[in-house]
Amino acid sequence: DAGVIQSPRHEVTEMGQEVTLRCKPISGHDYLFWYRQTMMRGLELLIYFNNNVPIDDSGMPEDRFSAKMPNASFSTLKIQPSEPRDSAVYFCASSPPIFVPAPSGANVLTFGAGSRLTVL
Amino acid sequence: EDKVVQSPLSLVVHEGDTVTLNCSYEVTNFRSLLWYKQEKKAPTFLFMLTSSGIEKKSGRLSSILDKKELFSILNITATQTGDSAVYLCVNQGGSEKLVFGKGTKLTVNP
Repeated sequence: DAGVIQSPRHEVTEMGQEVTLRCKPISGHDYLFWYRQTMMRGLELLIYFNNNVPIDDSGMPEDRFSAKMPNASFSTLKIQPSEPRDSAVYFCASSPPIFVPAPSGANVLTFGAGSRLTVL
Repeated sequence: EDKVVQSPLSLVVHEGDTVTLNCSYEVTNFRSLLWYKQEKKAPTFLFMLTSSGIEKKSGRLSSILDKKELFSILNITATQTGDSAVYLCVNQGGSEKLVFGKGTKLTVNP
């Protein structure tokens, strides 16, 4: 398996533009998470899905942010309009059902490489 | 509210030193505690701990959990420059969400 695949790896855009980040989770993982990481705030959970259904979007900063998961192999995080304070690294992660800890470590959260967003 | 607190936030050592990273947590219906290592890319998994007192080891790294006192430590012996990274402590509680600490930034100088 190629792991969690994110695109683009880097995005530089101007304030007011729409940004779309994409994620392909690991096949068979039921959960998909979107995180944002900044120096000031660390890793923050934005939203997560279970079986393509959004479960908790309380971490989404405001209405400018939206996320979709149209099928089990694809998710998008959209920012419209973007602002300089949205500059961060956005990580997508996926996991199998996480209520059963697996000491081997196999059933844990796996991150994509991240999308570094810079809004000028 | 569930939270994870890591200390120290930053640590600078010399190669060969031993370091101990701390993680304390407050979480509803604890299920597991995980450690991740993050270099200039995505976090990578190190350990998952579910039971108190059982040490997990991987080479020079080891970790242990104390569910009574609600903390975990990550030890790195004979540190190398390649150990320089941010180490994240993550808690899995009763909900599907995972709670991350802010991380400890470790710098190992030659």
